Amino acid sequence: LAKTTQPISMDSYEGQEVNITCSHNNIATNDYITWYQQFPSQGPRFIIQGYKTKVTNEVASLFIPADRKSSTLSLPRVSLSDTAVYYCLVGSYGQNFVFGPGTRLSVLP
Amino acid sequence: DTEVTQTPKHLVMGMTNKKSLKCEQHMGHRAMYWYKQKAKKPPELMFVYSYEKLSINESVPSRFSPECPNSSLLNLHLHALQPEDSALYLCASAAIDREKSPLHFGNGTRLTVT
Repeated sequence: LAKTTQPISMDSYEGQEVNITCSHNNIATNDYITWYQQFPSQGPRFIIQGYKTKVTNEVASLFIPADRKSSTLSLPRVSLSDTAVYYCLVGSYGQNFVFGPGTRLSVLP
Repeated sequence: DTEVTQTPKHLVMGMTNKKSLKCEQHMGHRAMYWYKQKAKKPPELMFVYSYEKLSINESVPSRFSPECPNSSLLNLHLHALQPEDSALYLCASAAIDREKSPLHFGNGTRLTVT
């Protein structure tokens, strides 16, 4: 299973763009990269998923370089409500998805 | 609101009690998961069910007993727990036959063992 590493914490201000990078050096060919957001006392919530290059949805973008050994979640113009823990997971269907420590994002006014 | 429903939301039990946590999904997902999460820690995988059969047990103590009676339901039976088992217990599901299916989580059961 691909192990992931992320920064433990990040601070940002409202209105700024935030980029969180995840390293996954031993990612397998079939693995997808998925990012989740978690608020206190709630389950993780799906943000975005990708395999390679760039993926964008209404809330975030995901950048994956050609070697796929890392990925970067980009949150445009964050607000206070984006304060949460962000996890990247690597794997394919049916696998035992293991969470890394996650990145605690604090958005300041 | 989530598509994975967990009940109860909160549970307090003594060390000699027997209780059960329930998880339900109607998305047709055939992979279901139990995670345990302590405060300020990431979710920790406990069990994985694939097509209603236990496929992964991450060396969880026998005082936790999972059950998957059908493709929509997942239970976690609890017996003789310890105070250190107090945590948020999360259920998740995924489509086992689609590569890109992410995990769908419920909002968990907050368990306190006294």
